[in-house]
Amino acid sequence: QLQLQESGPGLVKPSETLSLTCTVSGGSINSGSYYWGWIRQPPGKGLEWIGSIYHSGSTHYNPSLKSRVIISVDTSRNQFSLKLTSVTAADTAMFYCARPSDYGLNSEFLHWGQGTLVTVSS
Amino acid sequence: EIVLTQSPDTLSLSPGERATLSCRASQSISHFYLAWYQQKPGQAPRLLISGASSRATGIPDRFSGSGSGTDFTLAITRLEPEDFAMYFCQHYGTSPLTFGGGTKVEIK
Repeated sequence: QLQLQESGPGLVKPSETLSLTCTVSGGSINSGSYYWGWIRQPPGKGLEWIGSIYHSGSTHYNPSLKSRVIISVDTSRNQFSLKLTSVTAADTAMFYCARPSDYGLNSEFLHWGQGTLVTVSS
Repeated sequence: EIVLTQSPDTLSLSPGERATLSCRASQSISHFYLAWYQQKPGQAPRLLISGASSRATGIPDRFSGSGSGTDFTLAITRLEPEDFAMYFCQHYGTSPLTFGGGTKVEIK
């Protein structure tokens, strides 16, 4: 059974870079033509797609965050990662990694990690 | 960017009643690329419906999705205690993928 697990610091200082990793188990990032995604959810608010990455490294980003986001993949470790630069308190959120049910970007998210809360505070 | 507007913000109902949730898109969504998710406190979203009307594996048939173009609906017949939660719609037809603001179904 496919499982995704987010990891990374739970506290980041303003203006610094948030870095998270999603470790995939029960399946290979290399298998299939899936776009692996990052989604965030500020406390008590809705969901926001951050971006997605293919195992080749091809990426799609939300334009609202594109200038501050880098998503990368490490197929040897079966992981993909998120970096969000110049963070502010507005970036405080639960961050989820997820995989769609079907190939390509045009697919709903079926598999989700449990999420990791990142707080931006000095 | 396609903006999804969900209504109402909150739905107060009793167990056994029917819930009807709306998701309206700012422009037409192609190929029925519309999904619904359920989220309970402290949990990740769970996929309920994809393709506007196809239930995901293991989702009870009291959940149904309908709609096309810009207007979509999630219906829950005979609310069970475990159905009281937040519900989000999402389109995945074009980038950026976007989610609606959510509807909270709470116990009356």
